[in-house]
Amino acid sequence: GMPVEQNPPALSLYEGADSGLRCNFSTTMKSVQWFQQNHRGRLITLFYLAQGTKENGRLKSTFNSKERYSTLHIKDAQLEDSGTYFCAAEANNNAPRFGAGTKLTVKP
Amino acid sequence: EAAVTQSPRNKVAVTGGKVTLSCNQTNNHNNMYWYRQDTGHGLRLIHYSYGAGSTEKGDIPDGYKASRPSQENFSLILELATPSQTSVYFCASGEAYSQNTLYFGAGTRLSVL
Repeated sequence: GMPVEQNPPALSLYEGADSGLRCNFSTTMKSVQWFQQNHRGRLITLFYLAQGTKENGRLKSTFNSKERYSTLHIKDAQLEDSGTYFCAAEANNNAPRFGAGTKLTVKP
Repeated sequence: EAAVTQSPRNKVAVTGGKVTLSCNQTNNHNNMYWYRQDTGHGLRLIHYSYGAGSTEKGDIPDGYKASRPSQENFSLILELATPSQTSVYFCASGEAYSQNTLYFGAGTRLSVL
């Protein structure tokens, strides 16, 4: 199967709501990255994690290599958070593989 | 600021023609990657490279060749383009020995008619 499974495929939130995205891995990964793809198609790096948790403003990401998952939590969603979110995970001696993405729509 | 530049940004090609997509990075990164993005599939790995002179097959290499003539440049070559290769192509670079954060180019939209 796919090495990186991302859920949900789509998510709709109202402004101010909180929610989370998740990636599950079929094998042990050494790192994970999260990206936002904006309406122009540009990929913006949100986080790189080799372990643990990182926060940046309203975003927080966790990576658990042993349990083979990573999460991205969005707090107080804003209209500009709309876009498609991708995780990409890298196993040892291998290139990063992407999940299929989560399309996030934030409504006023 | 890390910089990855792709050219052309848009390309229309004919079936059976040869297409070369170019990528240049000024980050001095060892690793470079080519992905394609299609609806419902996310980004899929075509070819990648660990340094000048090296190329490795990714998950969907059929119909594509790659060339890494220098640290800065990584090309993706479609010798005989087919309509199924219509897609958006992204190039990325990353460091080899520390955190391999990917830096992406803006993408190339390729249509094969």
